[in-house]
Amino acid sequence: AQSVTQLDSHVSVSEGTPVLLRCNYSSSYSPSLFWYVQHPNKGLQLLLKYTSAATLVKGINGFEAEFKKSETSFHLTKPSAHMSDAAEYFCVVSEPGRRALTFGSGTRLQVQP
Amino acid sequence: DAGVIQSPRHEVTEMGQEVTLRCKPISGHNSLFWYRQTMMRGLELLIYFNNNVPIDDSGMPEDRFSAKMPNASFSTLKIQPSEPRDSAVYFCASSLEGGASTDTQYFGPGTRLTVL
Repeated sequence: AQSVTQLDSHVSVSEGTPVLLRCNYSSSYSPSLFWYVQHPNKGLQLLLKYTSAATLVKGINGFEAEFKKSETSFHLTKPSAHMSDAAEYFCVVSEPGRRALTFGSGTRLQVQP
Repeated sequence: DAGVIQSPRHEVTEMGQEVTLRCKPISGHNSLFWYRQTMMRGLELLIYFNNNVPIDDSGMPEDRFSAKMPNASFSTLKIQPSEPRDSAVYFCASSLEGGASTDTQYFGPGTRLTVL
């Protein structure tokens, strides 16, 4: 069975400082991993995805994530936070043969001026 | 492309009433998914379709929920009768391929349902 754990429910950073949102996954197979962002009262937007190619994945808006199989992690990072990054971020796992996505519980990112 | 379109964006109804949520997937996408988001349970998959055929409805909470996809460009999620515990945001998503695990799912803006 697949599962995903987002280690922090809330993260607060100052504008211009680095962002780190942590995600650990559990999967019986080689999973696909995604990060989605949800701005208030909006739908979910794909930030980036890992599908067994390069382990360092670059996404939109300066975000990137590194797949580390040995640590079963897929942490999301950004070098410099912007006010517009304030949102909820979801780490998502999907296994081969399964169309359903399994979502983490979400991490709410606050960006202080 | 207009993206995934959902209607209505907000729905307020009274317990016992029938509620119908609508979704138009991205043109050319073969798979369609319905999700529910609540504070208590997060995001859960309710049902998904591939080529208009329901593939897995194991996430549908109970018989009060039903979903249809009469053609490639339209799907409905119906709740009859509705109950206060059905209050949530319902998302529709679509993906291009056959719903493989590597596919990107594109989400609509959601329908916020409140059952009084």
